[in-house]
Amino acid sequence: KAGVTQTPRYLIKTRGQQVTLSCSPISGHRSVSWYQQTPGQGLQFLFEYFSETQRNKGNFPGRFSGRQFSNSRSEMNVSTLELGDSALYLCASSGTAEKLFFGSGTQLSVL
Amino acid sequence: ELKVEQNPLFLSMQEGKNYTIYCNYSTTSDRLYWYRQDPGKSLESLFVLLSNGAVKQEGRLMASLDTKARLSTLHITAAVHDLSATYFCAVDKDHTDKLIFGTGTRLQVFP
Repeated sequence: KAGVTQTPRYLIKTRGQQVTLSCSPISGHRSVSWYQQTPGQGLQFLFEYFSETQRNKGNFPGRFSGRQFSNSRSEMNVSTLELGDSALYLCASSGTAEKLFFGSGTQLSVL
Repeated sequence: ELKVEQNPLFLSMQEGKNYTIYCNYSTTSDRLYWYRQDPGKSLESLFVLLSNGAVKQEGRLMASLDTKARLSTLHITAAVHDLSATYFCAVDKDHTDKLIFGTGTRLQVFP
């Protein structure tokens, strides 16, 4: 059974640009959540989607947005990138077993 | 606001020794996760603890949950080098996959 797939693995952008990250959950999982990991702030919750609806949102500015498609795949978008957005972005999916499975992440560098 | 604290933040221990990592959280919750992260890698699920008094063991690691004390422990028995990694606890207060992570404990096991 394939795990959570995130693309791309690495991304380099410049300030002011926007970026879209993709996440394909484990087959059958309907919940997808996103997390940001930085050395300074640690792991922080961004948002969570279930059946195409955002159920929860973390304390991030409106530049961070996401969506989920009918096949449960999810994307997150960051507009007007800032240097502080450099981070590892992790996607996780869950089914009915209360266990979250994380993808390998997208390492975003903003120059 | 839910806060999750881990201690110690850094743990250097000799092979063969035992030690415990502590995870305290500030509000009531009965769902706690332990994850392992190797450098540059994603999060690997170790344990899911879903009720007061829950105890789970896998190899040299054993996790427990005391919801009344708002405390979880991860006990390491007879440490080996392969256990070197960063360990995170996380709390899901609302059962919606919105995990609040602790700061992480960086474990280094030396001969």
